[in-house]
Amino acid sequence: NAGVTQTPKFQVLKTGQSMTLQCAQDMNHNSMYWYRQDPGMGLRLIYYSASEGTTDKGEVPNGYNVSRLNKREFSLRLESAAPSQTSVYFCASSNGRGEDFGAGTRLSVL
Amino acid sequence: GDSVTQMEGPVTLSEEAFLTINCTYTATGYPSLFWYVQYPGEGLQLLLKATKADDKGSNKGFEATYRKETTSFHLEKGSVQVSDSAVYFCALSQKTSYDKVIFGPGTSLSVIP
Repeated sequence: NAGVTQTPKFQVLKTGQSMTLQCAQDMNHNSMYWYRQDPGMGLRLIYYSASEGTTDKGEVPNGYNVSRLNKREFSLRLESAAPSQTSVYFCASSNGRGEDFGAGTRLSVL
Repeated sequence: GDSVTQMEGPVTLSEEAFLTINCTYTATGYPSLFWYVQYPGEGLQLLLKATKADDKGSNKGFEATYRKETTSFHLEKGSVQVSDSAVYFCALSQKTSYDKVIFGPGTSLSVIP
């Protein structure tokens, strides 16, 4: 039982490059989330998915897109990375009794 | 909208000291309340939770009581250890179709021997 698995753990991009952060959960949770964590700003919700096939914007969606591929997987895509997107990204899932988090992806955009 | 406020950190304590981290919230209705902990270099872990007024959540020696009258959910531990050094997040969740959690800004705790 792996919980929430994120890949990659680390990534360095150049400005303008694109990439996809992958997230999978094996707990049969309906809801999944993407957050970014920046010093002094806590966690900010980027996008969430209440169920397979649905996605909605969170607090800071600009510059990102998401796909809820199936119940297990929820990916986050940066189409054209910017230095302001340097952050630690966390994926989470929930069954309504609190969220389970992945270990995070540390992304640097140069 | 709903929000969570936590005491400013960082907090530095000596080993075996008593810990309190204050948390208050603003929300309609009766949200569920949580404390999460984040150890260096890791993701957040659910530490404890309470789902209704006067409930007490507890785990690993930590406790918090859901106080509806003061809209608070303060985290306490009687005797902290060096291994408790981490960032602690207070959070709430409304029962909606997507169970979204709203986090406080986090309080950094350092415990020194």
